[in-house]
Amino acid sequence: QQQVRQSPQSLTVWEGETAILNCSYEDSTFDYFPWYHQFPGESPALLIAIRPVSNKKEDGRFTIFFNKREKKFSLHIADSQPGDSATYFCAASGTGYQNFYFGKGTSLTVIP
Amino acid sequence: GALVYQYPRRTICKSGTSMRMECQAVGFQATSVAWYRQSPQKTFELIALSTVNSAIKYEQNFTQEKFPISHPNLSFSSMTVLNAYLEDRGLYLCGARDRTGNTGQLYFGEGSKLTVL
Repeated sequence: QQQVRQSPQSLTVWEGETAILNCSYEDSTFDYFPWYHQFPGESPALLIAIRPVSNKKEDGRFTIFFNKREKKFSLHIADSQPGDSATYFCAASGTGYQNFYFGKGTSLTVIP
Repeated sequence: GALVYQYPRRTICKSGTSMRMECQAVGFQATSVAWYRQSPQKTFELIALSTVNSAIKYEQNFTQEKFPISHPNLSFSSMTVLNAYLEDRGLYLCGARDRTGNTGQLYFGEGSKLTVL
C-alpha cells in the first residue's frame, strides 16, 4: 500500500503564478510532513515542513496547508520564479525512528 | 547547521564488482540513517533503516547479503552494494535523522551515483 500519494506528476506555471502541489497520506499516526526539492544533478534538500499541531506553515513564498481530517497537505509556491523549477517531493513520518515515506514527486516548470 | 556528507559522489564499476559508500553527519547526532535508491524516474526506494544500537531493518527486495550496512556511531554510516549489476544502477542516498525532539528532521547526503558497465 502506498503510504504517500502525490499529484500532479508534472506542473507548468507562468512566472508570478502560484504553483500548488498536493499530497495525501494513509497512516493517521504520521506527525511530520516535510517537502523536499531536488534540482538536476543534486540530492533532495529540505524545503519546509509541518507538524499537525498547526494547519499552516509559511516560509517566504512557500506555504504548507495541512488538513488532518482529510489526511492531506499541500505546498503552495507563491510568485513562482524560473529558479523554482525542480522536482518536489512530499514525505510523511511518524515519531521515533520510523521510516520516511516519500511521494513520487512533482516536476515543476516555471516559464518566464 | 546540519550537514550530511556522502562519498563517493560517482562510481563506475564493472558488473560483479562492489561499491562502498559512506555517510558522515556533521553538526548533529544521527540516531537513525536510512539508505534510499532513487531511480532515473526519481522514485525513492527505501533500502534499509539503521538505528544505532538496534538491528538494521531491510525493506522487501533488499537484503543484508546484497547491501551490508554499518552504523557504528552517531555520525557515520556506510553501505556496500555487493556484486553490482545493471539493475543496481541509480542514485543512492543516505538520509540521516537528527535526534531533536521525537520527530527529527531528515537530512540527505549529496548522493552516490552508481553506474554499472
